[in-house]
Amino acid sequence: QSVLTQPPSASGTPGQRVTISCSGGSSNIGSNTVNWYQQLPGTAPKLLIYSNNQRPSGVPDRFSGSKSGTSASLAINGLQSEDEADYYCAAWDDSLNGVFGGGTKLTVL
Amino acid sequence: EVQLVESGGGLVQPGGSLKLSCAASGFIFSGSAMHWVRQASGKGLEWVGRIKSKTNSYATAYAASVKGRFTISRDDSKNTAYLQMNSLKTEDTAVYYCTRRSNPTYWFFDLWGRGTLVTVSS
Repeated sequence: QSVLTQPPSASGTPGQRVTISCSGGSSNIGSNTVNWYQQLPGTAPKLLIYSNNQRPSGVPDRFSGSKSGTSASLAINGLQSEDEADYYCAAWDDSLNGVFGGGTKLTVL
Repeated sequence: EVQLVESGGGLVQPGGSLKLSCAASGFIFSGSAMHWVRQASGKGLEWVGRIKSKTNSYATAYAASVKGRFTISRDDSKNTAYLQMNSLKTEDTAVYYCTRRSNPTYWFFDLWGRGTLVTVSS
């Protein structure tokens, strides 16, 4: 069981807005920044959002992140078929451990 | 090209040992903390451990599930990080990714290798 809690699945139609939640605790999300990773089928994860809401160069601005208290969210605006992937939230935990969410499988209908 | 390339995976019996390597290129390896993350088939990501840079005394940290069995090291002269895995269990079966943390302030992995598969089975 993962330390950070994500819904196992999410879905949307092209053009829609989809959000994925990530819930943690005071020792991880509550006191450290949150990152999001996108894993396309058969590939390694890729950094999507860092420091709660920052996009690395090359990541479309359709992707955005936010954090409030011990929860975080990833939002995808203007959903596209190529966004179909697994999404993971992650944070450092003050117990000297990295922690991930269980992952959310996004389906574009 | 900036990249990480893992090697050393394979089939090993329970109780056995295996050493993974992560070769870095295209960036200043010595300045980055290196982490290992694993993923069992069809499952989510699990942080395994990390080693900091020489500036930070090569400090290591490990997940509870591998502490005492796995050891992370690095050779900055070879731009390579290692994951020594001992007393392997069937539940250690996974793809092992080498990752880079280049930002000293915020914790995130901006570079991932393609991974190497470790299978623990009799």
